[in-house]
Amino acid sequence: DTAVSQTPKYLVTQMGNDKSIKCEQNLGHDTMYWYKQDSKKFLKIMFSYNNKELIINETVPNRFSPKSPDKAHLNLHINSLELGDSAVYFCASSLKRDRPEAFFGQGTRLTVV
Amino acid sequence: AQSVTQLDSHVSVSEGTPVLLRCNYSSSYSPSLFWYVQHPNKGLQLLLKYTSAATLVKGINGFEAEFKKSETSFHLTKPSAHMSDAAEYFCVVSTNNQGGKLIFGQGTELSVKP
Repeated sequence: DTAVSQTPKYLVTQMGNDKSIKCEQNLGHDTMYWYKQDSKKFLKIMFSYNNKELIINETVPNRFSPKSPDKAHLNLHINSLELGDSAVYFCASSLKRDRPEAFFGQGTRLTVV
Repeated sequence: AQSVTQLDSHVSVSEGTPVLLRCNYSSSYSPSLFWYVQHPNKGLQLLLKYTSAATLVKGINGFEAEFKKSETSFHLTKPSAHMSDAAEYFCVVSTNNQGGKLIFGQGTELSVKP
């Protein structure tokens, strides 16, 4: 049973489209995250939710909107996709917001053409 | 403010020889420190963690790291490299007052030669 699962694993789309990435964790964790890994493999946090409440919102364009319907799910919706959005997006979860040991999903490779 | 510096972008070793991946950190508070590994086209797997308990931390697959506060270092070691250790390794820092935010180093690519 996969602890943190993301879908889709690969996503190829044209500029200007809107797309979503879904994430689910079955660990019973309170806190979930989205991280972005760029072409140089650098990882940076985008968002964090704790029990469905947004607690971290880094300097991310408004075109990115996370949604957490319940504490086991954290989806990422991206409007008006741009070439620069091409990256690998990782979902992660941790037990609580003050227990930062995170478990990561397998990643979604987004390619904007 | 917190930051992490991985001193080598690429390390190459021969199979059976020791591995040393270097990491320095900066933190205003007592940090939690982690090493994650990423195999090609895979997600990130936690190797080990330091959270203010023993300074010598043992992880999975024979890896260890030592927290040295005086040197602000958290280097990753393994006595004998295996071909399957070839991957990207990330040193990561966090503090409890950051909402679980992880600050990643730039990564070190480990190559293992037969």
